[in-house]
Amino acid sequence: AQKVTQAQTEISVVEKEDVTLDCVYETRDTTYYLFWYKQPPSGELVFLIRRNSFDEQNEISGRYSWNFQKSTSSFNFTITASQVVDSAVYFCALSDRSMNSGYSTLTFGKGTMLLVSP
Amino acid sequence: EAQVTQNPRYLITVTGKKLTVTCSQNMNHEYMSWYRQDPGLGLRQIYYSMNVEVTDKGDVPEGYKVSRKEKRNFPLILESPSPNQTSLYFCASRDRPNTGELFFGEGSRLTVL
Repeated sequence: AQKVTQAQTEISVVEKEDVTLDCVYETRDTTYYLFWYKQPPSGELVFLIRRNSFDEQNEISGRYSWNFQKSTSSFNFTITASQVVDSAVYFCALSDRSMNSGYSTLTFGKGTMLLVSP
Repeated sequence: EAQVTQNPRYLITVTGKKLTVTCSQNMNHEYMSWYRQDPGLGLRQIYYSMNVEVTDKGDVPEGYKVSRKEKRNFPLILESPSPNQTSLYFCASRDRPNTGELFFGEGSRLTVL
């Protein structure tokens, strides 16, 4: 089973619309970390946020907000008043201990491509 | 400037010709990792290293080798590249092995003919 599921492959919105990117994860660890990364068309991977499993407070940073719900194993990302510059692929990732090695490893979802048109 | 540097950034090669993609970080991070990115598959981990001389397989290690002889370097070796290894490769390091975010290199686009 996938550890990180981003069910939305591609989302298209018009500028100024709000958009939510879904992320559902699976882990047996009680301590884990969740991340969001952005990959703009230029290709680099940009860190957006880290959240640990004990902190369920929602976070807001400008137009970005994140909703962490342990009960549903979800860590959704909302962009308010989207802009063309938000067009990118967004990846959700989970850091937990590998079943095989015991070491912590970061697993990514398949990503959601967001297209914001003017 | 804190960075992860990969080389080469672009490479076209032929099946069976051994190649190495170098990766170096200047942040004194213990944890380093290699990912490949393919359309529709996202980022998949190839190998990772918790420290010097400590490496482990990720989700897609077949056809790859790594070594970690120094803290700053983590080269990815393709002993006999095949066309299914055509991909975009990212090296990354992590400031805290269990909790930190990954710092990524700019990526290496590899084409195997």
